[in-house]
Amino acid sequence: KAGVTQTPRYLIKTRGQQVTLSCSPISGHRSVSWYQQTPGQGLQFLFEYFSETQRNKGNFPGRFSGRQFSNSRSEMNVSTLELGDSALYLCASSLNSDWGGRSTEAFFGQGTRLTVV
Amino acid sequence: KQEVTQIPAALSVPEGENLVLNCSFTDSAIYNLQWFRQDPGKGLTSLLLIQSSQREQTSGRLNASLDKSSGRSTLYIAASQPGDSATYLCAVSGNAGNMLTFGGGTRLMVKP
Repeated sequence: KAGVTQTPRYLIKTRGQQVTLSCSPISGHRSVSWYQQTPGQGLQFLFEYFSETQRNKGNFPGRFSGRQFSNSRSEMNVSTLELGDSALYLCASSLNSDWGGRSTEAFFGQGTRLTVV
Repeated sequence: KQEVTQIPAALSVPEGENLVLNCSFTDSAIYNLQWFRQDPGKGLTSLLLIQSSQREQTSGRLNASLDKSSGRSTLYIAASQPGDSATYLCAVSGNAGNMLTFGGGTRLMVKP
């Protein structure tokens, strides 16, 4: 069974540009969550998608957005990149049976290392 | 707002030693607690998941306990090996979806 796949693994972007990151969850998993990891702030929750709808949102500016497709694959977009957006972006997939389903085990991908110069 | 703290931040032990990593959280209204391992520059590997109704979970040399009322969890690693060297993270979830709140991690080094 394939794990969580994130692409690309590495990205270098210039300040002011925008970037799109992709995450393919484990087959059958309907929930996809995104996290930002930096040395200073640690792991911080960005947002969660379930059945193509955003279910939870962290405390990040509107420049950070996401979406989920009908096959559960998810994309995260960051517009107008800032130097402080340099981080490891991690995606996690979880199995939930329905919208009201409570937390189940999270499985993480290898991450996308974004460097903003 | 849920806050998760892990102590110690770093730990260095000789091979073969048994060790305990600590995790505390401020809001006891959690649904589950998960322990992860992260190797440098890599993603997170799930080690153990403890539901709020459980007291402990075991997997091989790893044992995790949960005391929800006191807001604490411990990860016990028996007979440590150099391959156990990594950062260990604990995370808790509430009752709404899969949002995880993480601790800052414990960086473990096991010396041969």
